[in-house]
Amino acid sequence: AQKVTQAQTEISVVEKEDVTLDCVYETRDTTYYLFWYKQPPSGELVFLIRRNSFDEQNEISGRYSWNFQKSTSSFNFTITASQVVDSAVYFCALSEAHNDMRFGAGTRLTVKP
Amino acid sequence: DTAVSQTPKYLVTQMGNDKSIKCEQNLGHDTMYWYKQDSKKFLKIMFSYNNKELIINETVPNRFSPKSPDKAHLNLHINSLELGDSAVYFCASSQGPQGATGELFFGEGSRLTVL
Repeated sequence: AQKVTQAQTEISVVEKEDVTLDCVYETRDTTYYLFWYKQPPSGELVFLIRRNSFDEQNEISGRYSWNFQKSTSSFNFTITASQVVDSAVYFCALSEAHNDMRFGAGTRLTVKP
Repeated sequence: DTAVSQTPKYLVTQMGNDKSIKCEQNLGHDTMYWYKQDSKKFLKIMFSYNNKELIINETVPNRFSPKSPDKAHLNLHINSLELGDSAVYFCASSQGPQGATGELFFGEGSRLTVL
């Protein structure tokens, strides 16, 4: 069965620090999709990125970047120059071709001014 | 115009009552879902529904039943509410058949409190 592990339960940084959120996944499928979602204090779930298993190219979007490494089954998320507004719970998720999306336990990021 | 909308946003009720949460999506998506988020923030899928095919997570009690009058709606009905049902319930939708290969679009969540 598919599984997603976010070992970091909580991370606290000071504004402008860089921070990396780890995500390790398990799957037997060769075709799968990885996601990151953000849940700010207001409670909604905000989609950040989707990656398919055939595309290991890293991605950068502004201060956000993602490192996908199949060799270590990891899909880590880095925020550069963190800001207070980045404070949220971040979820990594995995879906296989015929299974529903399963989420990791989430990492609560607190960015202090 | 909200893509996935849920009502009510907040629901407080007594143990033993029956309640429903409604969900509507205007994205033309084929598949809809219900997720439960507990107090520790764990997000767990409860149901997925596509073209009248219902996939139930085996851990969901049969007091929970999804009802889909049409492709754009998936309501969640809960019988005989228990304290442990207190959680935030998220509705979501995705394009394509069951198997979320694309982005899930979530509603804002419905916070259920059972007293």
